[in-house]
Amino acid sequence: EAGVTQFPSHSVIEKGQTVTLRCDPISGHDNLYWYRRVMGKEIKFLLHFVKESKQDESGMPNNRFLAERTGGTYSTLKVQPAELEDSGVYFCASSQETLYEQYFGPGTRLTVT
Amino acid sequence: GQSLEQPSEVTAVEGAIVQINCTYQTSGFYGLSWYQQHDGGAPTFLSYNALDGLEETGRFSSFLSRSDSYGYLLLQELQMKDSASYFCAVRDSSYKLIFGSGTRLLVRP
Repeated sequence: EAGVTQFPSHSVIEKGQTVTLRCDPISGHDNLYWYRRVMGKEIKFLLHFVKESKQDESGMPNNRFLAERTGGTYSTLKVQPAELEDSGVYFCASSQETLYEQYFGPGTRLTVT
Repeated sequence: GQSLEQPSEVTAVEGAIVQINCTYQTSGFYGLSWYQQHDGGAPTFLSYNALDGLEETGRFSSFLSRSDSYGYLLLQELQMKDSASYFCAVRDSSYKLIFGSGTRLLVRP
């Protein structure tokens, strides 16, 4: 069974540019989560999808971040325009049920210069 | 606020036993999880405690005391490959994971 995959693995962009991160969850997992780890700090929750619906987006930093999960399969997280403080590693995770363990992808390392 | 506290770094010798503690303060509690992360890799699920007591999975065990808001991860027969960061995480009332800042474990020969 394939795990959670994320693309790209690394992205370097300039301040003000736009970047779109993609996450493909484990097949059949209705729950998809986005997390972020900034500068060696703790991993912080961004938002949670159940199928194509946003269940909880309380962790989204501001309106420069837009997450979508059309069709309830893969998800994208767009940052527009990117700021320096957006640099970090963005993780995606999925789970079969809400209370089941979450499986993480390898992350996308975003560097904003 | 919500917070989890764990030591920033632990060093141990190959073959030894090490315990990584975690105390938490969160709104709602649906269990304590432990994740392992090697540099540049994905956090990998290790264990989950929803009820008080000890859960054992091979060389790794995890303990939870809900009355003390405390848990720990116990690693036995340490191997060099166990060098990694270990995160405790609480599932809160909205089911998202709240992570600690991680404990970097260094296993020395």
